Amino acid sequence: GQQLNQSPQSMFIQEGEDVSMNCTSSSIFNTWLWYKQDPGEGPVLLIALYKAGELTSNGRLTAQFGITRKDSFLNISASIPSDVGIYFCAGLAQGGSEKLVFGKGTKLTVNP
Amino acid sequence: DGGITQSPKYLFRKEGQNVTLSCEQNLNHDAMYWYRQDPGQGLRLIYYSQIVNDFQKGDIAEGYSVSREKKESFPLTVTSAQKNPTAFYLCASSALAGSYNEQFFGPGTRLTVL
Repeated sequence: GQQLNQSPQSMFIQEGEDVSMNCTSSSIFNTWLWYKQDPGEGPVLLIALYKAGELTSNGRLTAQFGITRKDSFLNISASIPSDVGIYFCAGLAQGGSEKLVFGKGTKLTVNP
Repeated sequence: DGGITQSPKYLFRKEGQNVTLSCEQNLNHDAMYWYRQDPGQGLRLIYYSQIVNDFQKGDIAEGYSVSREKKESFPLTVTSAQKNPTAFYLCASSALAGSYNEQFFGPGTRLTVL
């Protein structure tokens, strides 16, 4: 089935640093979603993107829908300890089923 | 307070027993989903339902069963036929109109089969 390649798998950063992660697909997507999951909890929706080139912010988080429609990026500025968690991308492929496809996640560790 | 609830948070069962996980939502969402999460594997879709009394298999439906008798409820049964049932199970819901792709998740149930 469809797969999303999410990178990096893990990141170790110092508090205050900026973070970038991305998600790529071999096919065109109509929707990109970014979630954050804390240990032992369900994922929480951070940002939803519906249009190629769209750039959307949510506080210190900014996500972009790639213009090729095959990728998406998430940036976190001035990281803080509570940013720790696993970040997932998810997307809906063009012409595909109504099922979301998920990346395997980026595990973020922030050292105070 | 609108949201999705899953119960229990932790569940232990003996091998060979069926077990039912609860999922309830008060968001008035039409669609509901069950995912399984294993370490390093992301989320895999088990079953989903877009309307009451109808549901479809996801990518890993074998060994699981569901029902959708009410809009608010979508229980998942893990049967003894599921070969490796120990996992973190997540329920989600979404509206079908408008931003229907945005799925919202419950807090999850961690199932351990001994």
